Amino acid sequence: DAMVIQNPRYQVTQFGKPVTLSCSQTLNHNVMYWYQQKSSQAPKLLFHYYDKDFNNEADTPDNFQSRRPNTSFCFLDIRSPGLGDAAMYLCATSRSGQGNSPLHFGNGTRLTVT
Amino acid sequence: EDQVTQSPEALRLQEGESSSLNCSYTVSGLRGLFWYRQDPGKGPEFLFTLYSAGEEKEKERLKATLTKKESFLHITAPKPEDSATYLCAVQPSGSARQLTFGSGTQLTVLP
Repeated sequence: DAMVIQNPRYQVTQFGKPVTLSCSQTLNHNVMYWYQQKSSQAPKLLFHYYDKDFNNEADTPDNFQSRRPNTSFCFLDIRSPGLGDAAMYLCATSRSGQGNSPLHFGNGTRLTVT
Repeated sequence: EDQVTQSPEALRLQEGESSSLNCSYTVSGLRGLFWYRQDPGKGPEFLFTLYSAGEEKEKERLKATLTKKESFLHITAPKPEDSATYLCAVQPSGSARQLTFGSGTQLTVLP
């Protein structure tokens, strides 16, 4: 089945130790997103890629970066995680040019910072 | 600034007890309103898109409706497997990609 896959499902890192989360998709969608979701809160958009065009939300901390080496893969790098960065990180894809194409989400990576 | 407010924050129903979830929104022109279901520890799963006031969509026990200011997700005769968090999101006109999500309604259906 075509899908969005995130790895790992659970990630534990130490305060200040860089961490990378990965996302792959078999949907061949050209738009990919990274969302941060804290407990009982709305998903918050961090970045999105329209093809290779990177779009950073104005309030996304500089500590967060992203890479998209090809259509299928996207990475979220957290350079120096703080305790406040503990959250669920969700990757999503959509197809542009089809009006209101819904987002397809992966099952997320739960990040714990110790 | 676009805003989405969902109510109630949490809802407990007995199996078979129908109810509605509310999503109120403020947006400068609506391109689309989306409903998602999110199970614990998983990503949101797409349910419906609504485009214009008066539109309705149904899927099994769920029916979504849209007015100019709010959307309702009606759940008819719910079952325990309908327990989840239901998220509403709006896409404003002129924005091809960015959604604004509400914080969701956590639904628990008791057997």
